[in-house]
Amino acid sequence: AQSVTQPDIHITVSEGASLELRCNYSYGATPYLFWYVQSPGQGLQLLLKYFSGDTLVQGIKGFEAEFKRSQSSFNLRKPSVHWSDAAEYFCAVGARSGYALNFGKGTSLLVTP
Amino acid sequence: DGGITQSPKYLFRKEGQNVTLSCEQNLNHDAMYWYRQDPGQGLRLIYYSQIVNDFQKGDIAEGYSVSREKKESFPLTVTSAQKNPTAFYLCASSMEPGGPGANVLTFGAGSRLTVL
Repeated sequence: AQSVTQPDIHITVSEGASLELRCNYSYGATPYLFWYVQSPGQGLQLLLKYFSGDTLVQGIKGFEAEFKRSQSSFNLRKPSVHWSDAAEYFCAVGARSGYALNFGKGTSLLVTP
Repeated sequence: DGGITQSPKYLFRKEGQNVTLSCEQNLNHDAMYWYRQDPGQGLRLIYYSQIVNDFQKGDIAEGYSVSREKKESFPLTVTSAQKNPTAFYLCASSMEPGGPGANVLTFGAGSRLTVL
């Protein structure tokens, strides 16, 4: 069965520290991969996406993610976290022939001073 | 600016009542979606539509209904048959698959439904 796993429900980091949010997927073939961010009570905003090619993708707000086929992972990283990065982060995957995305359960990021 | 408009943002309903959530997009996107979000559960797909007058059930369609009479509009009705309707509902849209915008979902700001 297709699935998306975000192992960390909550993560706390200090402002200025580096960040890595984990995402693992189980799909029959290489899917399209996405990271979205959600502020409280709001919709989701696309941070970055991977379709093909270079496995390290750059997104908005200084985020990047690396696709590792051998590990079925698509982890999100940021070198230096800002207080405004506190939000809920969702990893999502989609079949190349399909429409809808399958979302992980999310990781809530708290940034401390 | 192009985008997705969901209304109302907050809605209260008594048990046994049907309610309809509105979703309108001016992005000229072909596909539209409804997701339900509960704390700690991520987003779960309710229904989606690829073209006008056609839609498919998602993972949790029971107790919900949709229509797609216009490309721009994809309203969701939460019926009295939905056992636990209190949730945050998100509408999204995307271009058709296979193109550069494939599977890239644009989301509305959401509607929060509370059953009293």
